[in-house]
Amino acid sequence: AQRVTQPEKLLSVFKGAPVELKCNYSYSGSPELFWYVQYSRQRLQLLLRHISRESIKGFTADLNKGETSFHLKKPFAQEEDSAMYYCAPRRAGGFKTIFGAGTRLFVKA
Amino acid sequence: GAVVSQHPSWVICKSGTSVKIECRSLDFQATTMFWYRQFPKQSLMLMATSNEGSKATYEQGVEKDKFLINHASLTLSTLTVTSAHPEDSSFYICSARDPWRGLAGELFFGEGSRLTVL
Repeated sequence: AQRVTQPEKLLSVFKGAPVELKCNYSYSGSPELFWYVQYSRQRLQLLLRHISRESIKGFTADLNKGETSFHLKKPFAQEEDSAMYYCAPRRAGGFKTIFGAGTRLFVKA
Repeated sequence: GAVVSQHPSWVICKSGTSVKIECRSLDFQATTMFWYRQFPKQSLMLMATSNEGSKATYEQGVEKDKFLINHASLTLSTLTVTSAHPEDSSFYICSARDPWRGLAGELFFGEGSRLTVL
């Protein structure tokens, strides 16, 4: 069965502290992984995707197939990073994307 | 990025009536659109995949007669909640992929439509 787990509903860190938002997935085949973000009063938008191996707004995520994880990391959190973050796997070559429960990140001044 | 627009953004209706929500891709053609439902403080639940020119594909547990989806053109998909009841009150979000924007399959989301059934 397709399943994605984000164990933390809320993550609160101080500005400048490292942050890691966890994501584990159970998916047949080799899924493609995405992180989407929703800032306050804005629509959901793509943050980054694993195949691009990119760093967006200081965030990176490494796909660990052995641990079936795709954790999102940033070494120094900023207040503007406060948002809702969703891990979202998609079947390779497919279209349908499912979403984890989401983690609300709160960065305190 | 590509723009997806939903209308209306907010609708209140009486129990038993039907409500139509539109999802438009404004600057690209979307052969596939997706409809999600989001309950308060919960994640997005995929309801169905809307395919241009063919029937929608519904997820398990979603009543196709209750949630009618039509994707008559490459830029418009509609979701009609038929005979709405208070339990249908929710935030409905559509998304679309632009097939010409690379291989990554990024989804572009509408702003969402909040339905309240009295």
